[in-house]
Amino acid sequence: DSGVTQTPKHLITATGQRVTLRCSPRSGDLSVYWYQQSLDQGLQFLIHYYNGEERAKGNILERFSAQQFPDLHSELNLSSLELGDSALYFCASSGLGNEKLFFGSGTQLSVL
Amino acid sequence: DQQVKQNSPSLSVQEGRISILNCDYTNSMFDYFLWYKKYPAEGPTFLISISSIKDKNEDGRFTVFLNKSAKHLSLHIVPSQPGDSAVYFCAARFTSGTYKYIFGTGTRLKVLA
Repeated sequence: DSGVTQTPKHLITATGQRVTLRCSPRSGDLSVYWYQQSLDQGLQFLIHYYNGEERAKGNILERFSAQQFPDLHSELNLSSLELGDSALYFCASSGLGNEKLFFGSGTQLSVL
Repeated sequence: DQQVKQNSPSLSVQEGRISILNCDYTNSMFDYFLWYKKYPAEGPTFLISISSIKDKNEDGRFTVFLNKSAKHLSLHIVPSQPGDSAVYFCAARFTSGTYKYIFGTGTRLKVLA
C-alpha cells in the first residue's frame, strides 16, 4: 500500500460528459502529480501541484483542469469527454526530498 | 517529444537467468533516474533509483547502471524470478524550479519458470 488513495477505481461515462477524479496523497506529502496512461503508452505527465499551487504542466488538454485543496487532496476534472480520453489516470505524491513518486492504484476511465 | 525511451516493448527470460532492461534519454539536464515496476490493476511501485553523479546502484537482486556519455541506463535483475514478471518503467527527473518526472513507455518482462 503506497498510502496514496484514488477514487473512484472505475468510471464509465459517455462522450461530452464531465468527470472528477480524486486523489489523497500520502500523509505529509505536499506534491501531487497526475499522469495518464493510454493503451500501449507510457505514463504521460499531466500536471504537478505543490502545497496548493500549480508548479508544472505537461501534456494536459485545455478540457482538463486540476486543483489541490488546503487539505492537500487533489482533483482532476475532465470535461467534454471524447472516446480518446479513455485511459488509466494515476495520481502520485512525493515528499520533501522529491526522490521518488508514490503512486495510487489509478482510476480507469472508459468513455463510451 | 519522447525524452525517455524504452525501445523494447517486451522481454522474456528464463527463471534464474539475468534480465536486462534498457532505457535511453535525450535530456542531459535529468539529474535523477528511477525504475518502477507495475503489475496489472495496480499503480507503479518504486524499485530502484540512481543519481546522475553515480554510475551504479545496487539493491539486492536489482542493479541500475548509468552511462551518462551514452545517455543510457539499464536495470539488471539477477537471478530473475517468476514474480518479477511485470511492466517496468524507466523514469527521469528534471529539476528546474520544480520537479518533473518523465516516464518511458515501459517494457513488459516475462520470467519463464
